[in-house]
Amino acid sequence: GENVEQHPSTLSVQEGDSAVIKCTYSDSASNYFPWYKQELGKRPQLIIDIRSNVGEKKDQRIAVTLNKTAKHFSLHITETQPEDSAVYFCAASNGHDYKLSFGAGTTVTVRA
Amino acid sequence: SQTIHQWPATLVQPVGSPLSLECTVEGTSNPNLYWYRQAAGRGLQLLFYSVGIGQISSEVPQNLSASRPQDRQFILSSKKLLLSDSGFYLCASISGVRGYTFGSGTRLTVV
Repeated sequence: GENVEQHPSTLSVQEGDSAVIKCTYSDSASNYFPWYKQELGKRPQLIIDIRSNVGEKKDQRIAVTLNKTAKHFSLHITETQPEDSAVYFCAASNGHDYKLSFGAGTTVTVRA
Repeated sequence: SQTIHQWPATLVQPVGSPLSLECTVEGTSNPNLYWYRQAAGRGLQLLFYSVGIGQISSEVPQNLSASRPQDRQFILSSKKLLLSDSGFYLCASISGVRGYTFGSGTRLTVV
């Protein structure tokens, strides 16, 4: 099955700086890559996603890049704010029954 | 848009007791439904999923089971809980082309 690895496990950044989280996947048939944000004790919320027919997608301060050849994708958060502090999960799916395989998560702390 | 109702929100159960967690979905029909478990400080592990009534696929062998008695109802059960069953259980539904919608989760502590 699909194996998704996520790095780093923890990330501390100064407010206003950028944060980058990287994920790799094993199944070359994977074609959908969402990112979720989970605040403490809450449900994960979709923040951005990308499909394999594009290499980059941006939504305000958040962007995701995808390198299908290398089988890795990254989340970029610019101009970080304290409310960006949360756990972020990457995931991948090859479309079969729409199952998602998740990375282990990155705890992001934005220092004021 | 979809709404997922999940209950109870928290649960403390003794080892060896039974378990029943329920998830219902509003705002869609014939959804794919998923049960995930999140151990403390860990990622999300897929336990079961269902593509239709009575259709259950198991991803991880364990003492849990799932059932889908109605189109928008998904139930996670156990006959005898283990300490290792503690965690945050999340129900999810596929939301068109925009990925999963998650329920609010059940925090289960087995004591």
